[in-house]
Amino acid sequence: EDKVVQSPLSLVVHEGDTVTLNCSYEVTNFRSLLWYKQEKKAPTFLFMLTSSGIEKKSGRLSSILDKKELSSILNITATQTGDSAIYLCAVVSDSNDYKLSFGAGTTVTVRA
Amino acid sequence: NAGVMQNPRHLVRRRGQEARLRCSPMKGHSHVYWYRQLPEEGLKFMVYLQKENIIDESGMPKERFSAEFPKEGPSILRIQQVVRGDSAAYFCASSPRSQTFTDTQYFGPGTRLTVL
Repeated sequence: EDKVVQSPLSLVVHEGDTVTLNCSYEVTNFRSLLWYKQEKKAPTFLFMLTSSGIEKKSGRLSSILDKKELSSILNITATQTGDSAIYLCAVVSDSNDYKLSFGAGTTVTVRA
Repeated sequence: NAGVMQNPRHLVRRRGQEARLRCSPMKGHSHVYWYRQLPEEGLKFMVYLQKENIIDESGMPKERFSAEFPKEGPSILRIQQVVRGDSAAYFCASSPRSQTFTDTQYFGPGTRLTVL
């Protein structure tokens, strides 16, 4: 069974700080890794990383995939209170290319 | 373009009752996935459906749970004779699964089921 571990479980920062979230995985026939942001509603898609696209950036958010270390990081720079959310990491294997295997998430709280 | 719609957003049932959760995928999406999120846990895959077909229900409990995605209308996740352990948030996601399928699934807001 695929395994996804996120760390830390939670963290509290102040506006303007930079946060780094970690995701490590064990999956047979890795296909892709996805990051989602979950507030009190639908998880919203942030990035998808694959062997052919190991680095993504959008505004203050960026993510890198390290296939050698079987991990990914999600960076948020110049944090704002609106960044407070649970950040979810999920992996997909070629064996079941429709099944997202999620980690437990990292809860980020940004204080004003 | 409306996103994935789920209703109801909150559902309270007593033990032994039935719960019906509905999901309307994004326009143009013909593939639906259901996930369950228990407190303090990540989302767990339950079932993958296409129109009128169950493709993979390996994550769904064998008893009391069923899912369908009819030719017309929303996808339905049905839980019969609910127990307290069924209390969770149930999320639906959809994707187009076109030739350019990219694994990206778009999620609805979820239905929070509470069993008393």
